[in-house]
Amino acid sequence: IVLTQSPATLSLSPGERATLSCRASQSLGSYLAWYQQKPGQAPRLLIYDASNRATGIPARFSGSGSGTDFTLTISSLEPEDFAVYYCQQRSNWPRLTFGGGTKVEIK
Amino acid sequence: EVKLLESGGGLVQPGGSLRLSCAASGFSFRNYAITWFRQAPGKGLEWVSTIGSGGADTYHADSVTGRFTISRDNSKGTLSLQMNSLRAEDTAVYFCARDTGLSYFDYWGQGTLVTVSS
Repeated sequence: IVLTQSPATLSLSPGERATLSCRASQSLGSYLAWYQQKPGQAPRLLIYDASNRATGIPARFSGSGSGTDFTLTISSLEPEDFAVYYCQQRSNWPRLTFGGGTKVEIK
Repeated sequence: EVKLLESGGGLVQPGGSLRLSCAASGFSFRNYAITWFRQAPGKGLEWVSTIGSGGADTYHADSVTGRFTISRDNSKGTLSLQMNSLRAEDTAVYFCARDTGLSYFDYWGQGTLVTVSS
């Protein structure tokens, strides 16, 4: 299963809303997660099963979608939110795949 | 505190071998499946290998099948990845990660860099 993330780069200012997209080559149901990765760090689980926030994740992060189209929304960007975001599917377990990533950068 | 700590990375020539380890602490290791992922320099994340909680069930990506072997020692809380016949395209940071039980990953190690080059 191929996951296509868009845009590749999102240039926004702190306080703005970020909307990231992940499109799958076939239906995933709700079996999609989102991760945040900062330079030199491991990924951090944000959202699982499309819309469930992981433990300790702030409410400004939300996920939606099902089937082939998914969205990660950050309602108001904080300085620490500028990072790369990846989606990951588990529908085709064990052959897990990730999207190519969206970099959220400071405008 | 849950911790995963990888080790064993380094520089190896094409065709060579390397064994990565992942030491777990702060949770009941024997109850969780663990997965290796990798990330080539400047690239995205790639699934490599998964092992079930008991160690009997193992799965490998097509790109490493026949060359890599995942194993675990639940008595020691350690995970291993034996990598043989290494290629330049295996160059990456390798992460071990704990499966939540839903094939999502809530704890990751800091990664260990493997460089395959002559």
